[in-house]
Amino acid sequence: DVKVTQSSRYLVKRTGEKVFLECVQDMDHENMFWYRQDPGLGLRLIYFSYDVKMKEKGDIPEGYSVSREKKERFSLILESASTNQTSMYLCASSLFRTEAFFGQGTRLTVV
Amino acid sequence: AQKITQTQPGMFVQEKEAVTLDCTYDTSDQSYGLFWYKQPSSGEMIFLIYQGSYDEQNATEGRYSLNFQKARKSANLVISASQLGDSAMYFCAMREWGNNRLAFGKGNQVVVIP
Repeated sequence: DVKVTQSSRYLVKRTGEKVFLECVQDMDHENMFWYRQDPGLGLRLIYFSYDVKMKEKGDIPEGYSVSREKKERFSLILESASTNQTSMYLCASSLFRTEAFFGQGTRLTVV
Repeated sequence: AQKITQTQPGMFVQEKEAVTLDCTYDTSDQSYGLFWYKQPSSGEMIFLIYQGSYDEQNATEGRYSLNFQKARKSANLVISASQLGDSAMYFCAMREWGNNRLAFGKGNQVVVIP
């Protein structure tokens, strides 16, 4: 079975902190994605990556950056966390032209 | 960027009845894939069904079927014989193979009542 693991289930951070959300997949998938999920807004794409060191902006990249130094790991970075970044963050991975598999999500609260 | 629209309000469905969830999409690509996911209250995202833009037959997976109308850019999910465990949020998604982006709609809430 494909496994996508996010480093934390719940996270509380202070405004202005630099925050790292880690995602690891064990199926050698080329593609990895970061979304945030807010009530009534569905899943919004922040960034995605189709190869090591490659990244593409999604629909809401402002305030975020990503890193993919190894194929299995895709990190989402909040350079200076703000309260409007309080949300559920979902990571996913996939091969080309197949369905994506999701991690369990990280509920981030910025206070 | 592609756009996926799910506009139905929350739905209550009687157990054992069928339910149809609407999804329309907008893309200029000819080559793309359509997906439906289920998210129960536990929060996990569960893949249900896939339809390729060049597939001539509608996809089916057990009690799930996808009513694909390419000219109308519509990809409705049909759940037959609803069960209490089908109560969840359902998301329609599209992936343009040209840019590899995977985008989601806002979701439909379904509650199955006994």
